[in-house]
Amino acid sequence: GQQVMQIPQYQHVQEGEDFTTYCNSSTTLSNIQWYKQRPGGHPVFLIQLVKSGEVKKQKRLTFQFGEAKKNSSLHITATQTTDVGTYFCAGPVWVTGGGNKLTFGTGTQLKVEL
Amino acid sequence: EPEVTQTPSHQVTQMGQEVILRCVPISNHLYFYWYRQILGQKVEFLVSFYNNEISEKSEIFDDQFSVERPDGSNFTLKIRSTKLEDSAMYFCASSTGFYYGYTFGSGTRLTVV
Repeated sequence: GQQVMQIPQYQHVQEGEDFTTYCNSSTTLSNIQWYKQRPGGHPVFLIQLVKSGEVKKQKRLTFQFGEAKKNSSLHITATQTTDVGTYFCAGPVWVTGGGNKLTFGTGTQLKVEL
Repeated sequence: EPEVTQTPSHQVTQMGQEVILRCVPISNHLYFYWYRQILGQKVEFLVSFYNNEISEKSEIFDDQFSVERPDGSNFTLKIRSTKLEDSAMYFCASSTGFYYGYTFGSGTRLTVV
């Protein structure tokens, strides 16, 4: 079945430094979603990328979808303590009965130190 | 902003007991899901539900698991005879379609002792 890996598994940064997490799928994705999970919290949807090579920005966050639609990245510029959490990519797969299911990546846990 | 509500937030049960986890998805969403997350691990798909029936289930979702949407608003996950390895955070989620993100509930932490 589809496998989605992320690197690195953990990242500690000083506040103000940049951060990047990389997501790689074993299969071609129709689209990719990114979620953030704060410690002790639930996944919160950040964004979806659909087109090959697509780049989207949300303030300090930049999301990119690879040309082959098998990889994606999330880059945070000038991290803040509010960025702490685990970032997951997720690849939706159609299900025949209707809707889809998400295969989540392994996640990258970000810690930001003052 | 609309929320997905889950109860209880924490449930402790003895091995072999039945548990029911409850969820109220967002009212105009069409697709409903249960996921689980073992501590420190990734989020895993359990089951999807559409048009009042299961549309897909994972290999984790064996005969001990069942889902219901009894009254058009609540969405429940039942585990008939819990095992120690069922201990995890269970998340309910809903969405409006394939090209839309999921809204997750805050989860139920299930501890089987």
